[in-house]
Amino acid sequence: QKEVEQDPGPLSVPEGAIVSLNCTYSNSAFQYFMWYRQYSRKGPELLMYTYSSGNKEDGRFTAQVDKSSKYISLFIRDSQPSDSATYLCAMREPGGGADGLTFGKGTHLIIQP
Amino acid sequence: GAVVSQHPSWVICKSGTSVKIECRSLDFQATTMFWYRQFPKQSLMLMATSNEGSKATYEQGVEKDKFLINHASLTLSTLTVTSAHPEDSSFYICSALRDGGSQPQHFGDGTRLSIL
Repeated sequence: QKEVEQDPGPLSVPEGAIVSLNCTYSNSAFQYFMWYRQYSRKGPELLMYTYSSGNKEDGRFTAQVDKSSKYISLFIRDSQPSDSATYLCAMREPGGGADGLTFGKGTHLIIQP
Repeated sequence: GAVVSQHPSWVICKSGTSVKIECRSLDFQATTMFWYRQFPKQSLMLMATSNEGSKATYEQGVEKDKFLINHASLTLSTLTVTSAHPEDSSFYICSALRDGGSQPQHFGDGTRLSIL
């Protein structure tokens, strides 16, 4: 059974702090890893998309994947109040993308001005 | 970037009625679209996978006769909740996959369905 664990929070940090969000998973077949941001009553917005292990940086966001530990992270630098949202990790196995994603429950992040 | 449009954004209707939700990929062709359901403070749960021109594949526990999916073109998939009841009230979200195995899914803004 596919399973992704993610702390739901809420996680509250002051503006400007570095935020660390994490997920663990049990299915070693997962190869594609994503982080989505979801504002209240909106659909998820893709932030980061990575394949297999390694790091990827995009602006203030850095995604890390450690397949040996089955652990993925998203770091947000210089956090802003507008970053307050729910952050969902998602992953899937290889196979042409025809499978739906397996999501974590999401972490509710609050950036205090 | 890729854009997925979902309509309507909010529906309120009486118990027993049927509701149709549309999902469109606006700037790319989507051979595969997905339908998810999200309850308050819960994650997205995959309901079904929709492939253009073929029958949808439903996840275990999802009633295919209740949640009718049609993917008649490469840019449009519809989900019809038939004879909706209060327990069907939820946030329904679609996503579209651009052709190509390594592409990520792009999501619509969801439809909030409230059954009275």
